[in-house]
Amino acid sequence: GQSLEQPSEVTAVEGAIVQINCTYQTSGFYGLSWYQQHDGGAPTFLSYNALDGLEETGRFSSFLSRSDSYGYLLLQELQMKDSASYFCATPNFNKFYFGSGTKLNVKP
Amino acid sequence: NAGVTQTPKFQVLKTGQSMTLQCAQDMNHEYMSWYRQDPGMGLRLIHYSVGAGITDQGEVPNGYNVSRSTTEDFPLRLLSAAPSQTSVYFCASSNPRQRAGNTIYFGEGSWLTVV
Repeated sequence: GQSLEQPSEVTAVEGAIVQINCTYQTSGFYGLSWYQQHDGGAPTFLSYNALDGLEETGRFSSFLSRSDSYGYLLLQELQMKDSASYFCATPNFNKFYFGSGTKLNVKP
Repeated sequence: NAGVTQTPKFQVLKTGQSMTLQCAQDMNHEYMSWYRQDPGMGLRLIHYSVGAGITDQGEVPNGYNVSRSTTEDFPLRLLSAAPSQTSVYFCASSNPRQRAGNTIYFGEGSWLTVV
């Protein structure tokens, strides 16, 4: 089976940096993706790591270590609009599996 | 850009009733799927399809039925609604053959309440 573990909630202040971790256990591994979901909205794609290392997209970066079965999403220069839930996900034989999500609360 | 369109957005059903959630995408994606989202449980895969005429079960398929007669459409049928099916449902699509094949595009969601 597939299992992705994330912290349930993280709180940070505006302008700070926050890291959201994801550890996974999969029978096969084809990369790790990250999605953002605002309350009442649909998940939207943020980033994808197929190989080890860091992927940077503006204020957001994602890191993967396949040897540690671990990845994280790094959000810099936090803004109030970053308050949302963040999900890690991995594909496996035409199925995509999601973690239970991390709720990020950004405070002024 | 329409992307993934699903209807209805809100629905209240009585226990035992049946209904169909509609989903259509205009991106010519081969892969389509249905998820349900419950508080604290993330997104769980109900059924998925890798192309017209091909469907398969996900993690939580019981009580749901799907078909894929065209590339564009992937309806989800609730056969006999139960309160346990109260949830938010998301339709999604992607194209594994594209360079960004792991990007999943979601519809806006359907809020279903079974009383």
